[in-house]
Amino acid sequence: SYVLTQPPAVSVAPGQTARITCGGNNIGSKSVHWYQQKPGQAPVLVVYDDTDRPSGIPERFSGSSSGNTATLTISRVEAGDEADYYCQVWDRSSDHYVFGTGTKVTVL
Amino acid sequence: EVQLVESGGGLVQPGGSLRLSCAASGFTFSSYSMNWVRQAPGKGLEWISYISSSGRTIYYADSMKGRFTISRDNAKNSLYLQMNSLRAEDTAVYYCARDSFSGSYYLDYWGQGTLVTVSS
Repeated sequence: SYVLTQPPAVSVAPGQTARITCGGNNIGSKSVHWYQQKPGQAPVLVVYDDTDRPSGIPERFSGSSSGNTATLTISRVEAGDEADYYCQVWDRSSDHYVFGTGTKVTVL
Repeated sequence: EVQLVESGGGLVQPGGSLRLSCAASGFTFSSYSMNWVRQAPGKGLEWISYISSSGRTIYYADSMKGRFTISRDNAKNSLYLQMNSLRAEDTAVYYCARDSFSGSYYLDYWGQGTLVTVSS
């Protein structure tokens, strides 16, 4: 089965840039999506199709994907960005949704 | 406004059954595929099952196949998850989530979740 691997935690100072990676075999050939989940809340889609943002999501959130790694970048990090972030792809070989292991972003 | 409201969670004994419901509003339910996703306490997201807009196409995560059954009633704008032979490791918050209409397979709206606790 397809596996997506994320770093467990990323720490960043306010105003700096956070980069969250998502590793998967040839992930660059798939569409990658990202979700933000704050404590006690449901996940929220923040990036879809590698680079697109849903309406209402700040431009500070951006995505990229190539080779075996996809990246969610949060620019000018704010305290409110502190949350868990999950990448996700659709595995066509198994017809399964696959979520990454999740990354906890801490704003110092 | 798109709304997804789950219900039916609660405490159940190991080996028991539970049926979760998800009431949808604010969009044309019959046009969208739907999913169930769960999250065990302190753990990550785990996809459970997908059902197409018509209900004719269904997929399950391997670990849930045979115990869980997804279904929908488009006339009632409702999604369901029948869970049988429940185990302690099925304890989780269960979310229903709408599949995007784009064909890229991502979840654009989520409910707030319902907690299922499997314990004696």
